Amino acid sequence: SQKIEQNSEALNIQEGKTATLTCNYTNYSPAYLQWYRQDPGRGPVFLLLIRENEKEKRKERLKVTFDTTLKQSLFHITASQPADSATYLCALGERGSTLGRLYFGRGTQLTVWP
Amino acid sequence: NAGVTQTPKFQVLKTGQSMTLQCAQDMNHEYMSWYRQDPGMGLRLIHYSVGAGITDQGEVPNGYNVSRSTTEDFPLRLLSAAPSQTSVYFCASSYLTQHSGGYGYTFGSGTRLTVV
Repeated sequence: SQKIEQNSEALNIQEGKTATLTCNYTNYSPAYLQWYRQDPGRGPVFLLLIRENEKEKRKERLKVTFDTTLKQSLFHITASQPADSATYLCALGERGSTLGRLYFGRGTQLTVWP
Repeated sequence: NAGVTQTPKFQVLKTGQSMTLQCAQDMNHEYMSWYRQDPGMGLRLIHYSVGAGITDQGEVPNGYNVSRSTTEDFPLRLLSAAPSQTSVYFCASSYLTQHSGGYGYTFGSGTRLTVV
């Protein structure tokens, strides 16, 4: 069956450290993968997109990697801050699927403590 | 402000009642979709549309109807509310992918629905 699994439901790290979140997928052929941030009571907000032919993408303190051999994406937040505390969702768009359709993981709740 | 507008923000329904959740976007996005989000279940796709007049079912379509008469609006109708439909509902929109590029979704702020 198809699965998108994000590492442990909760991740707690100290301010200033690098947070690394994992997204693994099974039985998908993704054309691209996206990461979203969701705060309590709010809708998800798009952060980054990485395509299947790209290894790494960066945006300010955020870095995403995509390994189609390992079927895995890693999402890094460097120099983390308490304001980075939120739930982070990965989502993938599958090759050959309906244009625009995304499949979401359940998310990892990140807490950054001072 | 450009974005996705959902109304209402909160709603309580009695079992068997019907209602329509409204979703409107002003970004000229072709793709629109409805998700429900339940604790421990993540986002589950209910229905989606790739353009005016075109809709299709997602993972959990039972008990819901949609229509897309304009590019801007994509209402979700609950036909006969059940307690199992208690959830947070999100509408999202994006440009259609033309190749393998992909575009990020813009989500609305959600509708919290309780069915008693």
